[in-house]
Amino acid sequence: KAGVTQTPRYLIKTRGQQVTLSCSPISGHRSVSWYQQTPGQGLQFLFEYFSETQRNKGNFPGRFSGRQFSNSRSEMNVSTLELGDSALYLCASSSQTGSSLKEQFFGPGTRLTVL
Amino acid sequence: TQLLEQSPQFLSIQEGENLTVYCNSSSVFSSLQWYRQEPGEGPVLLVTVVTGGEVKKLKRLTFQFGDARKDSSLHITAAQPGDTGLYLCAGAYAGGTSYGKLTFGQGTILTVHP
Repeated sequence: KAGVTQTPRYLIKTRGQQVTLSCSPISGHRSVSWYQQTPGQGLQFLFEYFSETQRNKGNFPGRFSGRQFSNSRSEMNVSTLELGDSALYLCASSSQTGSSLKEQFFGPGTRLTVL
Repeated sequence: TQLLEQSPQFLSIQEGENLTVYCNSSSVFSSLQWYRQEPGEGPVLLVTVVTGGEVKKLKRLTFQFGDARKDSSLHITAAQPGDTGLYLCAGAYAGGTSYGKLTFGQGTILTVHP
């Protein structure tokens, strides 16, 4: 099975712009989660989607949003970019359907740099 | 707030030495994962532990899950330069607010010198 794929791998944007990142989960996985990774804060949970519905959300401002399509592919959007949004954005998929998460498989990430 | 304390933050050792990384929380996990991450790449899952007291071995790596499911450890025997990387523990907490969410420790940067 192909792993989790993310596009693009690298992005450079300027403050105030918006950005859309894409994630294709492992075939058959319906749960997709997004994380932000920075040197200072480590990996922090953004949100999770399952069957096109957001089931869980982390403690991030409303500028961070996402969606999931019927084929389980997911996108996340960051509007009005700030310098502090520079990070590695990771997508993870899981075959779990309930709340007892066992494991997630991560994509390679999208490195976003905000200038 | 659910926090996962991982220690040590940095480890620099010589090839052939043994090491242990610890992961502790005040909350009970429904499961705990260990990942390894290379620079610029996503974390790669090493193991998942679910049962209190569980021990899993992966070649030279031994993973333990505490009896109370609040702590875990990763032990590497005879470390090799290829073990160099960032090791992350991540816990899943049971409950409706935990859908799709892993809580990560800060990570341990391991450097193994030849």
